[in-house]
Amino acid sequence: DADVTQTPRNRITKTGKRIMLECSQTKGHDRMYWYRQDPGLGLRLIYYSFDVKDINKGEISDGYSVSRQAQAKFSLSLESAIPNQTALYFCATSAGPNSYEQYFGPGTRLTVT
Amino acid sequence: GDSVTQMEGPVTLSEEACLTINCTYTATGYPSLFWYVQYPGEGLQLLLKATKADDKGSNKGFEATYRKETTSFHLEKGSVQVSDSAVYFCALSPYNFNKFYFGSGTKLNVKP
Repeated sequence: DADVTQTPRNRITKTGKRIMLECSQTKGHDRMYWYRQDPGLGLRLIYYSFDVKDINKGEISDGYSVSRQAQAKFSLSLESAIPNQTALYFCATSAGPNSYEQYFGPGTRLTVT
Repeated sequence: GDSVTQMEGPVTLSEEACLTINCTYTATGYPSLFWYVQYPGEGLQLLLKATKADDKGSNKGFEATYRKETTSFHLEKGSVQVSDSAVYFCALSPYNFNKFYFGSGTKLNVKP
């Protein structure tokens, strides 16, 4: 089984709808991250969390919110989806300080019409 | 702020050709540098890393050397295979690995 899973894998939604993307990990890592990937722009950090009580904004947090329900779960919400939030979204984990490797989920392709 | 710039793609090569993907960075202090690879339909995977100047990271025939004087971390492989077709991302992390900054990605297509 995959260490980092994301649900759903694909989602089409309409402008103005609320949508939640979920991420679960079995690696026992404290740190979790949400990125979005756009063609030509690479990965940009939306939010990150170092433990259940620690949530931090990344470079493009506007229009997004997150919830760290447990060490293993980190959800990303779009409160009112808009078309320019159409992108590929990745969740990632890392073990903590002095741990340089990030482990990525398979991604969620979100289309907002 | 910290950032990474890498060459635009796509890069198309024939099998057994030499590969170089350029990457330069801007950072305060002494970041660690990484190359990640993304195969079609998958998430990113760490390919190699270098944590200090003059370090050479290597894996699966790929190499990159951390050049502080030129702020570069170019990815090289002497003989590419069709199975190397993927998107390659250069990335950096400041000394504490709290955040990671990724380049825009370079798509490599290797033809038989």
